[in-house]
Amino acid sequence: QKEVEQNSGPLSVPEGAIASLNCTYSDRGSQSFFWYRQYSGKSPELIMSIYSNGDKEDGRFTAQLNKASQYVSLLIRDSQPSDSATYLCAVRDRGSTLGRLYFGRGTQLTVWP
Amino acid sequence: SAVISQKPSRDICQRGTSLTIQCQVDSQVTMMFWYRQQPGQSLTLIATANQGSEATYESGFVIDKFPISRPNLTFSTLTVSNMSPEDSSIYLCSVESSRFYNEQFFGPGTRLTVL
Repeated sequence: QKEVEQNSGPLSVPEGAIASLNCTYSDRGSQSFFWYRQYSGKSPELIMSIYSNGDKEDGRFTAQLNKASQYVSLLIRDSQPSDSATYLCAVRDRGSTLGRLYFGRGTQLTVWP
Repeated sequence: SAVISQKPSRDICQRGTSLTIQCQVDSQVTMMFWYRQQPGQSLTLIATANQGSEATYESGFVIDKFPISRPNLTFSTLTVSNMSPEDSSIYLCSVESSRFYNEQFFGPGTRLTVL
């Protein structure tokens, strides 16, 4: 059973702060990692994907991957109240370029003004 | 990314009945999946919908309860059969294709309540 673990939160940060979301995974052979944002009552929306060790930046979002530590994180800079949502970490099945994702339970983030 | 629609968006059903959920994509995709998300929980994969062959079900899900069709590369259905209140959930389809850089996108979901 492949495990994807996230801090369940809730995580609460003030507007303008950096929010740090963490995820660990059990399958050392995993190659593809994703962060989804899910607003209450909505479906998950893909916000970041990362495949190589290091950092990947997209606007206010930075994904960080450390395969040796089996750890992936998402940093949100200059957090806004509109960032308040549940963030889901997903890991693709080992050896696959398409197909099955394993999801964590999600971290609920609240950004207060 | 793909534009994905699901019908119905929500429904309230009686125990013992069945509901078929449709998922339509605006372009051909390689993979289609069906997930369930119960209140306050993460996503649970029900099955992979295979075009032209039987779906691949995850542990704990069976074809008699969740029959799936995928007649072509843009459409799939999930039926929730002989429903009980425990089937109350959000059902989501997702799609994946090499043309979308192997990223997976979700439809808007179907909120099902079983009385």
